[in-house]
Amino acid sequence: EPEVTQTPSHQVTQMGQEVILRCVPISNHLYFYWYRQILGQKVEFLVSFYNNEISEKSEIFDDQFSVERPDGSNFTLKIRSTKLEDSAMYFCATDGRDSKNIQYFGAGTRLSVL
Amino acid sequence: AQRVTQPEKLLSVFKGAPVELKCNYSYSGSPELFWYVQYSRQRLQLLLRHISRESIKGFTADLNKGETSFHLKKPFAQEEDSAMYYCALRMDSSYKLIFGSGTRLLVRP
Repeated sequence: EPEVTQTPSHQVTQMGQEVILRCVPISNHLYFYWYRQILGQKVEFLVSFYNNEISEKSEIFDDQFSVERPDGSNFTLKIRSTKLEDSAMYFCATDGRDSKNIQYFGAGTRLSVL
Repeated sequence: AQRVTQPEKLLSVFKGAPVELKCNYSYSGSPELFWYVQYSRQRLQLLLRHISRESIKGFTADLNKGETSFHLKKPFAQEEDSAMYYCALRMDSSYKLIFGSGTRLLVRP
């Protein structure tokens, strides 16, 4: 079964540094999402992306965050200047927007900001 | 605001016992409800969705709009059912998923 692939699985960074989290969607999926889960809390929506544009974003997704699909395959989430509170699991999800409308999740990237 | 509530953080049952994981939601429109499962060290994966009205791995869930609930049920739990279960809502005006806080199901031998 096709899978969404996320790299790295674990990223450790110093506060104030930039990080880029990568996601390879399922082939022919064109709708992409980022979610995050702070330890012990709910999975929260960050942003959705289609046709090289943000479709929807949450209040969490402030100017420190950006998304892009630089090469037509990877879908990336960039955090410009990490804060301690950005430590979380970040999940990528993709959707073929076919009749099933199912979001398929990657295994996640654990971001640890020190 | 739209919200999904899973009141139980942990549900522990013996193998062969019935299981019901509760999910309530608040949304005034036409929701789509999902159950996602996360087995140990694995990714979130869709278990079932209300519009498909199917049984997956013996689990069923019925959307009750009057009670705004989407409880997940299985008549006879198996040890391999032990996992985190997340209820999620999609509004008719959006594609984002709104998740509950999850329930850890532990099935003991």
